[in-house]
Amino acid sequence: AQSVTQLDSQVPVFEEAPVELRCNYSSSVSVYLFWYVQYPNQGLQLLLKYLSGSTLVKGINGFEAEFNKSQTSFHLRKPSVHISDTAEYFCAVTILTGGGNKLTFGTGTQLKVEL
Amino acid sequence: ETGVTQTPRHLVMGMTNKKSLKCEQHLGHNAMYWYKQSAKKPLELMFVYNFKEQTENNSVPSRFSPECPNSSHLFLHLHTLQPEDSALYLCASSQGAGGPDTQYFGPGTRLTVL
Repeated sequence: AQSVTQLDSQVPVFEEAPVELRCNYSSSVSVYLFWYVQYPNQGLQLLLKYLSGSTLVKGINGFEAEFNKSQTSFHLRKPSVHISDTAEYFCAVTILTGGGNKLTFGTGTQLKVEL
Repeated sequence: ETGVTQTPRHLVMGMTNKKSLKCEQHLGHNAMYWYKQSAKKPLELMFVYNFKEQTENNSVPSRFSPECPNSSHLFLHLHTLQPEDSALYLCASSQGAGGPDTQYFGPGTRLTVL
């Protein structure tokens, strides 16, 4: 079975400060990892994903994440946040089924950027 | 329309009503998904369809009945729901080629059961 833990339910940060949102996973097979963002009253939008290769993955809006197999982590980072980054962020892991992906999500981290 | 659309965006229904949620994807994908998003809980996968065939039913109560008439459309038929079924219902689609493809989400339907 696979699972995802997002340790922080809320992360307040000042504008232009760096931020790290933590994600740990457990899976008994090869993993594919994703970060999604959800703005108010909207669906989820893909930020970035790790499938294979380089452990440092760059995504949209200046976000990046690092896959660390030994620590089973996939933390999301941004060196300087903007007010518009205020949203909920979801980490997810997938295993492949007989058709389509089966994503397992964490409980989400609410990022609140303040002036 | 582009991407994944969902209608209605908001729905209020009584426990004895029958209603349907509609999802349409304009991405040429072959896999479609229903998720339930409740406050303070992780997104829950409900159903997966691949090439119109249901490949996953995550122990969803029978008062939720999915229908996938073609690869572009997905419905969720609702009947005799309970107040605890109030949530945001999200539809997603992906290429469905068997690899770890990206899922694209619609904006969701906010359902309130009175």
